[in-house]
Amino acid sequence: QKEVEQNSGPLSVPEGAIASLNCTYSDRGSQSFFWYRQYSGKSPELIMFIYSNGDKEDGRFTAQLNKASQYVSLLIRDSQPSDSATYLCAVKNDMRFGAGTRLTVKP
Amino acid sequence: DTGVSQDPRHKITKRGQNVTFRCDPISEHNRLYWYRQTLGQGPEFLTYFQNEAQLEKSRLLSDRFSAERPKGSFSTLEIQRTEQGDSAMYLCASSLTGTGTYEQYFGPGTRLTVT
Repeated sequence: QKEVEQNSGPLSVPEGAIASLNCTYSDRGSQSFFWYRQYSGKSPELIMFIYSNGDKEDGRFTAQLNKASQYVSLLIRDSQPSDSATYLCAVKNDMRFGAGTRLTVKP
Repeated sequence: DTGVSQDPRHKITKRGQNVTFRCDPISEHNRLYWYRQTLGQGPEFLTYFQNEAQLEKSRLLSDRFSAERPKGSFSTLEIQRTEQGDSAMYLCASSLTGTGTYEQYFGPGTRLTVT
């Protein structure tokens, strides 16, 4: 059974802090990885995707991929209350999503 | 608004009835996906199309579920003889192959309640 695992949280950080979200996957053949943000009652929206080992930065967001260890993470710098949402990790090859990590950023 | 639309947005039905949902993807997108999401869970893959061809269907998907994309544009998802366990948000997403990125854009979803 191919799995995508995330800590369900909730993860709470103060405004301005770095939020760190982690995801592990079981299929070593996975090639591409996505982070989605989902506000309560809304559908997922794409934040970032990453294919290569290492870091990929986009504004306040950094995705990190380590294929040898089979994990992908998302860092959110200078967290804002508007970042409060559930963050979903997805693996393309079999279109599996993790259960999501609920993030709360406290003012 | 991602450009993916779904209709209806909400559906309440009685157990045993059939329901059909529609998804209109972003016009140039050739791939279309259906997911189901329940509270506290991530989207669960149901099926996907490339153009009009249904390329994959989840092994967990009951025979009561069927999907079509007859002209490679919009898609329908039908659930026959609904059960209370079918209550969920049904999400549609589309993507474009050939760009190398494969990111999916989601519609607003159809919330199904089976009473």
